[in-house]
Amino acid sequence: SQELEQSPQSLIVQEGKNLTINCTSSKTLYGLYWYKQKYGEGLIFLMMLQKGGEEKSHEKITAKLDEKKQQSSLHITASQPSHAGIYLCGAGYNNNDMRFGAGTRLTVKP
Amino acid sequence: GAVVSQHPSRVICKSGTSVKIECRSLDFQATTMFWYRQFPKQSLMLMATSNEGSKATYEQGVEKDKFLINHASLTLSTLTVTSAHPEDSSFYICSAPHVTPAGNEQYFGPGTRLTVT
Repeated sequence: SQELEQSPQSLIVQEGKNLTINCTSSKTLYGLYWYKQKYGEGLIFLMMLQKGGEEKSHEKITAKLDEKKQQSSLHITASQPSHAGIYLCGAGYNNNDMRFGAGTRLTVKP
Repeated sequence: GAVVSQHPSRVICKSGTSVKIECRSLDFQATTMFWYRQFPKQSLMLMATSNEGSKATYEQGVEKDKFLINHASLTLSTLTVTSAHPEDSSFYICSAPHVTPAGNEQYFGPGTRLTVT
């Protein structure tokens, strides 16, 4: 079983709609990272969260980390076709390696 | 910002041959680097941790004799897939941690697509 549970596995939304992707860890995280990827391509770094209760925003994407540092959400406001792709959450547990969630495949319909 | 490069970006090899993939940190030193593998429609899976000056640490289920890792310097780690078979065809990505004022960040290479025929 994965240490990080990511949901949903796939998401189809109409352009302009908001959406949320969740990432839950069975252990306390050192840091939580959100990436966007197209399969077969590199990772695009979105955000890093390290403090309990932390929230960061970039353009229309907001990520939050809960106080216990075991759960994070990624929220996209007014989605656009350019937001389509695979979103991966990655967690650092021991200040070194990183484990990934299964990924969420986002489709935005124009 | 910090950059990690990988070479080659794509490689096609025949079954039974060996392939070497390089991972370089271009503007910072990395005593540790990580190698991941990604199969179609699946997430990244950590294969091994590459340690400069010492042996690599492999994840459970990863054959160390098949996936040879050498961390020759503070900016270079190599992954050699020995006696490659079609089931080794995958997307391989390396990463290196780097401490910045913002915290402990991970920088990823662009990946190498390996196809074994």
